[in-house]
Amino acid sequence: GENVEQHPSTLSVQEGDSAVIKCTYSDSASNYFPWYKQELGKRPQLIIDIRSNVGEKKDQRIAVTLNKTAKHFSLHITETQPEDSAVYFCAASTNTGNQFYFGTGTSLTVIP
Amino acid sequence: KAGVTQTPRYLIKTRGQQVTLSCSPISGHRSVSWYQQTPGQGLQFLFEYFSETQRNKGNFPGRFSGRQFSNSRSEMNVSTLELGDSALYLCASSWTGTTNTGELFFGEGSRLTVL
Repeated sequence: GENVEQHPSTLSVQEGDSAVIKCTYSDSASNYFPWYKQELGKRPQLIIDIRSNVGEKKDQRIAVTLNKTAKHFSLHITETQPEDSAVYFCAASTNTGNQFYFGTGTSLTVIP
Repeated sequence: KAGVTQTPRYLIKTRGQQVTLSCSPISGHRSVSWYQQTPGQGLQFLFEYFSETQRNKGNFPGRFSGRQFSNSRSEMNVSTLELGDSALYLCASSWTGTTNTGELFFGEGSRLTVL
């Protein structure tokens, strides 16, 4: 089955700096890669996603890049703010229903 | 639109007991999936139901089971509870159809503690 690895597990940045979280996947059939943000005590929420026919997607301060050949995708957050502090999960899925393989999460702390 | 609702929010059980968790998806969503969240392990897929049929199943023992009703509400059951079953169980619904994959809308979870 699919295996998704996520790094780093913890990340601290100064407010205004950029943060990058990286994930790798093993199943070449995976074609949908969402990122979820989970604030402390709250439910995970989708922040951005990318499908395998696209190499990069941007939404304001966040962007995701995908390298299908190398089987890795990354989340980039620019101009970080304290409210970006949360746990971020990457995930991968094939086009056979809503079965997602999640990474183990990255706890991001933005220091004011 | 009301969000995904899970009940109960918290429960404490002892080893050997069984538990049933309930999930009401967003109106119109036909796909309901369940995940187990534990510290350090992230979210692990249990199973997904679509139109009352189990469409996908994760690598959990047979003690974990689920079902979906005609109104898309779903339940999951864990029998013969073990200490390692202590976790936050998240339900997620999605509007996607028979083959496409899309955004998951999560409930707040049911936190199970097994003593």
